[in-house]
Amino acid sequence: DQQVKQNSPSLSVQEGRISILNCDYTNSMFDYFLWYKKYPAEGPTFLISISSIKDKNEDGRFTVFLNKSAKHLSLHIVPSQPGDSAVYFCAYQDNYGQNFVFGPGTRLSVLP
Amino acid sequence: EAGVTQFPSHSVIEKGQTVTLRCDPISGHDNLYWYRRVMGKEIKFLLHFVKESKQDESGMPNNRFLAERTGGTYSTLKVQPAELEDSGVYFCASSQDGLTSYEQYFGPGTRLTVT
Repeated sequence: DQQVKQNSPSLSVQEGRISILNCDYTNSMFDYFLWYKKYPAEGPTFLISISSIKDKNEDGRFTVFLNKSAKHLSLHIVPSQPGDSAVYFCAYQDNYGQNFVFGPGTRLSVLP
Repeated sequence: EAGVTQFPSHSVIEKGQTVTLRCDPISGHDNLYWYRRVMGKEIKFLLHFVKESKQDESGMPNNRFLAERTGGTYSTLKVQPAELEDSGVYFCASSQDGLTSYEQYFGPGTRLTVT
């Protein structure tokens, strides 16, 4: 049973528009949620995180929202750029250890 | 500063053979993690070293997998004997201790194909 779900395997967005990537989770015991971006043939790279005590974190064009009651996380990219095209993974770090539990990823394509 | 490196980048072996993957973490990072992504699915945790000690190996699929980190520097992950279902991309990641230990830095991965 997946603890982290990303129900959209792919998403296409026009350049300049907003990209919204969603993530649902089942486990409430975590310290941080993180988003990682992965280009082909490369390892995932850290993008942005949010602490379990916050509901929003912003870093430039990237904003992550956390709705604990709904156990839902979303990443907003505004404005979207072609270089944002990649696979995006959400992951949480549980508060028993330091290992991450990843979702299956969403492939974002930003069209010029 | 050099990132996490992994060797080899690709490995194709036959079922029953042995393969050893190597990971060199970022210098000074005490935490080292192994993950695996199979068939484009989620990235799954395998194990976590703190220096040379195994902190958590709950994700290791079976005893055909052996990970070591002698001296607390680089790590190796050996698969012996390899099975078809072991095919996938094996990622290594490292992180510092402290408040930002959740920022794990990933290597490019080793793509293992077992035929």
